[in-house]
Amino acid sequence: AQKVTQAQTEISVVEKEDVTLDCVYETRDTTYYLFWYKQPPSGELVFLIRRNSFDEQNEISGRYSWNFQKSTSSFNFTITASQVVDSAVYFCALSEMKGAQKLVFGQGTRLTINP
Amino acid sequence: DTAVSQTPKYLVTQMGNDKSIKCEQNLGHDTMYWYKQDSKKFLKIMFSYNNKELIINETVPNRFSPKSPDKAHLNLHINSLELGDSAVYFCASSPGGLAGVDTQYFGPGTRLTVL
Repeated sequence: AQKVTQAQTEISVVEKEDVTLDCVYETRDTTYYLFWYKQPPSGELVFLIRRNSFDEQNEISGRYSWNFQKSTSSFNFTITASQVVDSAVYFCALSEMKGAQKLVFGQGTRLTINP
Repeated sequence: DTAVSQTPKYLVTQMGNDKSIKCEQNLGHDTMYWYKQDSKKFLKIMFSYNNKELIINETVPNRFSPKSPDKAHLNLHINSLELGDSAVYFCASSPGGLAGVDTQYFGPGTRLTVL
């Protein structure tokens, strides 16, 4: 069965600090995809990244970076030099290749960046 | 310009009523989804349609009935609304191709409040 765990319920940091959001997943499938979505206070779900299980290269996009480690079943997300606009709930999600493609979400981490 | 749109954005109704939420996507995608986000922000798949055919039905009460008149639309009808149905309902769509697991793009959500 698929499962995603985001153990950090809430994180609060001061602007310009770096912050890492943890994501640990469980799956029996050898081929799967991992995602991160952002849900700002306005409520919409914004896609951030998609990564397949065969690509363990870390990814950097501006101040955002993602560290995928199959050995620890983790797909962590780091924001460098955080800004107030980064305040949101962040969701990690997993989709297996087998069967119908559904996203299984973690519980979300509420990130608050204080000025 | 809106890729995935939902109407209405807010829906307040009495217990026992029947209501519908509409979703439309203009991305040319083949697959559409309904997710439910509860008061604790937990997101869970409800249904998925691929080219008007139901492919996921995640043990949702049969008071919920999705309908896809064409591949650009997926509506959600709810009969005999209960207090526990209060949530934010998100529609999403994805290309539905065979190459891997697609990214799902979400609509703005419909906040349903049952009184």
